[in-house]
Amino acid sequence: GDSVTQMEGPVTLSEEAFLTINCTYTATGYPSLFWYVQYPGEGLQLLLKATKADDKGSNKGFEATYRKETTSFHLEKGSVQVSDSAVYFCALSDPRTGANNLFFGTGTRLTVIP
Amino acid sequence: DADVTQTPRNRITKTGKRIMLECSQTKGHDRMYWYRQDPGLGLRLIYYSFDVKDINKGEISDGYSVSRQAQAKFSLSLESAIPNQTALYFCATSDNQAVNYGYTFGSGTRLTVV
Repeated sequence: GDSVTQMEGPVTLSEEAFLTINCTYTATGYPSLFWYVQYPGEGLQLLLKATKADDKGSNKGFEATYRKETTSFHLEKGSVQVSDSAVYFCALSDPRTGANNLFFGTGTRLTVIP
Repeated sequence: DADVTQTPRNRITKTGKRIMLECSQTKGHDRMYWYRQDPGLGLRLIYYSFDVKDINKGEISDGYSVSRQAQAKFSLSLESAIPNQTALYFCATSDNQAVNYGYTFGSGTRLTVV
């Protein structure tokens, strides 16, 4: 079945450091891939998405490229800020299932220190 | 007002009690979902509904029931709460283009069963 595996946290970085959070997926079809962010005390918000191979999603300085050959969708940011401290979830949606359900990874907590 | 509103935000209840969590949305979306979030497990789907007359079990529906009272309202019930149902519960909505646009989440209900 469909699944998402993302790197375990927590991740602690200094401000302006480079961020990578790894995400790999398993799907027999051609899923859409998403990164969601959860700030403290809030629900999940869509950060970026990619719907086909080689697409690059980007938002707020974050980027992720849909790599079909490595079944990956790693999240990157060149210079993190304290305000980026949150939990990040990788997710996929497989249209073949007919349900459009989102399958989530376990989440990676990022803490950015000044 | 938020697009997806969950009530209550926090609730402490006793083992064996019946409790209802409510979700309402102003997105006009047909599809609504209930997820629970546990540390280290990410989000897991409890139930989902594609329209008022459609209810489907997710991967962890045991011990839960739902009611879709209207397009905009989707409630989750715990008929007899038990401590391992202590978790953060999220309601989400989507249209039928979820594969492209993802979901909209509420802010969550933190439930503690003692």
